[in-house]
Amino acid sequence: GENVEQHPSTLSVQEGDSAVIKCTYSDSASNYFPWYKQELGKRPQLIIDIRSNVGEKKDQRIAVTLNKTAKHFSLHITETQPEDSAVYFCAASKGWAGKLIFGQGTTLQVKP
Amino acid sequence: DTEVTQTPKHLVMGMTNKKSLKCEQHMGHRAMYWYKQKAKKPPELMFVYSYEKLSINESVPSRFSPECPNSSLLNLHLHALQPEDSALYLCASSQVDLGMSSYNEQFFGPGTRLTVL
Repeated sequence: GENVEQHPSTLSVQEGDSAVIKCTYSDSASNYFPWYKQELGKRPQLIIDIRSNVGEKKDQRIAVTLNKTAKHFSLHITETQPEDSAVYFCAASKGWAGKLIFGQGTTLQVKP
Repeated sequence: DTEVTQTPKHLVMGMTNKKSLKCEQHMGHRAMYWYKQKAKKPPELMFVYSYEKLSINESVPSRFSPECPNSSLLNLHLHALQPEDSALYLCASSQVDLGMSSYNEQFFGPGTRLTVL
């Protein structure tokens, strides 16, 4: 069935360093790849997404890259800050009103 | 209004109780979702409604009963739950675009933290 694998499961970085989280999806028909940030006790918050017709997208300190051939996509956070500490989920989807297939999550800790 | 709201924020219920969770959005989205989330795990899809009709049921036990009274409201009726049903219940909504370039951008509500005793 459809599957999204996410690595690493935990990531600890020093403030100011970069963090990279990687996901691999199985369904080549997937066309939408969002990233959600979830702080403890709060809702998943969409932080960036990428569509299958784009290879890279950037929003300030956050960027996402997509390699459709390899079925990989990655989240890059530069100049990390303590408030970036959270659980990050990648997901993949095709079409509308269907399933978001989530990765298992990455707990990011940014040490001051 | 660009938010999905959920009530109540917290709910404690016994295994014999009947309760309901409520979700509301005023973004004109025609797809709404219920998810269950355990701590540090990804959200698990339970149900999808599109145009107020149930389109996906992920083999959820019948003690969970969804209802979509109109395009802005989504309810989840709970009856005879088990302690293992304790979790964060998230509602989400998304646009429905029947065009070829449609994308499933989902917006989540804050969730209801459910505890079953």
